[in-house]
Amino acid sequence: KAGVTQTPRYLIKTRGQQVTLSCSPISGHRSVSWYQQTPGQGLQFLFEYFSETQRNKGNFPGRFSGRQFSNSRSEMNVSTLELGDSALYLCASSLDRERWQFFGPGTRLTVL
Amino acid sequence: ELKVEQNPLFLSMQEGKNYTIYCNYSTTSDRLYWYRQDPGKSLESLFVLLSNGAVKQEGRLMASLDTKARLSTLHITAAVHDLSATYFCAVDKTSGTYKYIFGTGTRLKVLA
Repeated sequence: KAGVTQTPRYLIKTRGQQVTLSCSPISGHRSVSWYQQTPGQGLQFLFEYFSETQRNKGNFPGRFSGRQFSNSRSEMNVSTLELGDSALYLCASSLDRERWQFFGPGTRLTVL
Repeated sequence: ELKVEQNPLFLSMQEGKNYTIYCNYSTTSDRLYWYRQDPGKSLESLFVLLSNGAVKQEGRLMASLDTKARLSTLHITAAVHDLSATYFCAVDKTSGTYKYIFGTGTRLKVLA
């Protein structure tokens, strides 16, 4: 069974630009969650999508948004990038409410 | 406010020794998670603990949950070098505004 895939794996952007990251969950998984990891703030929960609906949301500004498609693939978008948005962005998928999550390899975003 | 504290932050131990990582959280939560992260890699789910007194074991790792004390422990038995990694706990709370908070992580180094 294929694991969670994230594209791109690495990305360099400049301040003010926007970026879209993609996550393909394990087949059959309907829940997709996104996380940000930075040296300063650690791991933080961004949002969770389930059956194309945002089910839960972390404490991030509106510049961070996401969506989920009917095939459960998910995208997250960050607009008006700031230097502090440089981070490893992790996506995870799960099958059930107990949220045993399978993580993708991450997308490392660098904002210059 | 939901806060999660892990200790120790760093742990260097000899192979064959036992040790415990502690995870304290500040308010009632729904689920307690343990994750492992190897350097430069993504997260790997280790355990999900749902109820008071829950104990789960996988290999040399055993996790337990005491909801009354708001404490979870990750016990390492007879450590081996392959267990060297950073271990994170996290809790979530579904009542009211959803919260999903990670601990700061414990960097474990097992010395041969």
